[in-house]
Parts: sequence; C-alpha cells; structure tokens
Amino acid sequence: ETGVTQTPRHLVMGMTNKKSLKCEQHLGHNAMYWYKQSAKKPLELMFVYNFKEQTENNSVPSRFSPECPNSSHLFLHLHTLQPEDSALYLCASSQIGRPGELFFGEGSRLTVL
Amino acid sequence: AQSVTQPDIHITVSEGASLELRCNYSYGATPYLFWYVQSPGQGLQLLLKYFSGDTLVQGIKGFEAEFKRSQSSFNLRKPSVHWSDAAEYFCAVGGMDSNYQLIWGAGTKLIIKP
Repeated sequence: ETGVTQTPRHLVMGMTNKKSLKCEQHLGHNAMYWYKQSAKKPLELMFVYNFKEQTENNSVPSRFSPECPNSSHLFLHLHTLQPEDSALYLCASSQIGRPGELFFGEGSRLTVL
Repeated sequence: AQSVTQPDIHITVSEGASLELRCNYSYGATPYLFWYVQSPGQGLQLLLKYFSGDTLVQGIKGFEAEFKRSQSSFNLRKPSVHWSDAAEYFCAVGGMDSNYQLIWGAGTKLIIKP
C-alpha cells in the first residue's frame, strides 16, 4: 500500500447509527487531517493532528469524533448524524514544516438517510 | 477576511487549446499559494505551489501558474490541454494568518471538448 488509504469508500447510514471512517497513511508523515467536501463549496477543514495531538478543531459538531492513535492512522467516529452531513470526507497527511503540501486519500462518500 | 475566489464554476475547452483558470485571493500576510486537481472519484493532488521567489512556477502535468501580487491573483495555465485534464481544479492560500492551514476556493470544473 502506498499513499493515503481511506475505508470504506462508500457508506450509507441512518440517523441513529454509529459508524467510523478510517484513514491510513504510508508516507511517514506526522500531520493528518479530516476535510469535508460538499458540492460547489470550498473544502472545510474539520480536524488536524500533529504528532497524534489534535491542534485544530474548526467548530465541528460533537457528533463527529476524531481519533488518532498514532501518526499513521486517523479515524472519524460518526453518531447521530443529520442528512446535511452527507458529503465526501477526505483524509490528508503532510510533513510538518511543509505547509500546504497535502496528500489526500480518495475519500469516503457518506450518505445519511 | 481571508478568502479565495475562483470566478468560473466550470470552463469548457477544446482538446489542444490553451487554458487559463482564474484564482483571486484575499489574505493579510504573505500568502503561500497552491493549485490542486481532483479527477473524478479521486482525492486531490498537488499541481504546484508558490512560496517565494520567481513568480512564475512550474508544476506537474505541464501546468504553470503566475503570482501577481498587485492583482492578488494566482492563475493556472496550460498551453495545450489533453482529454485527461478533465477534472476539478482548486486554488488555495495559506500562511501565518491562518496558522498555515489552507483557505480553499470552491473549484473550477474543466470540461474538454473532443
């Protein structure tokens, strides 16, 4: 495996379900990100982790709960979501000291019914 | 306020024709500027970046961009597009004012006519 891998690629869930998105990077990077991508809107930064420590939380609702057990893995735990949370969730990684040079996974397409 | 504007939601270009995608930004500090590309069903890939120095930067896949401070612009160009260039293109700015996190434009979708 190379690059940034996200699973699952597609997820359909009801509003009362609990699910998780997983991201793994094989690049030796030390920063990881969750972004939300909705049609015709700029990417929205959700969370940033540097060396496993959360450094950014852009006022994301508590129904989204990130977890970063080590520099290579990042999770986004989902519970009690709303239909407006349907979007493409992108994971990215970077090397600290190289700002803005992000490596993205292919995304997890989430549909909330 | 920090922002990035990509005025064109979509652009249609004939294969072999030249391309220019526009990007304007509003940013207080010295900006770092980026263009990313997203092919259908894929994540984003960095095309090129500007940090300092020569205002004309070269990127991958034959793309280039020019930083014009006086116009707050960072337009992306390619002399001759290929069908494989059909994708969505995102401009982004970062720097000290945003704790080096990127501020993104809404994207321009490039359609290639055969």
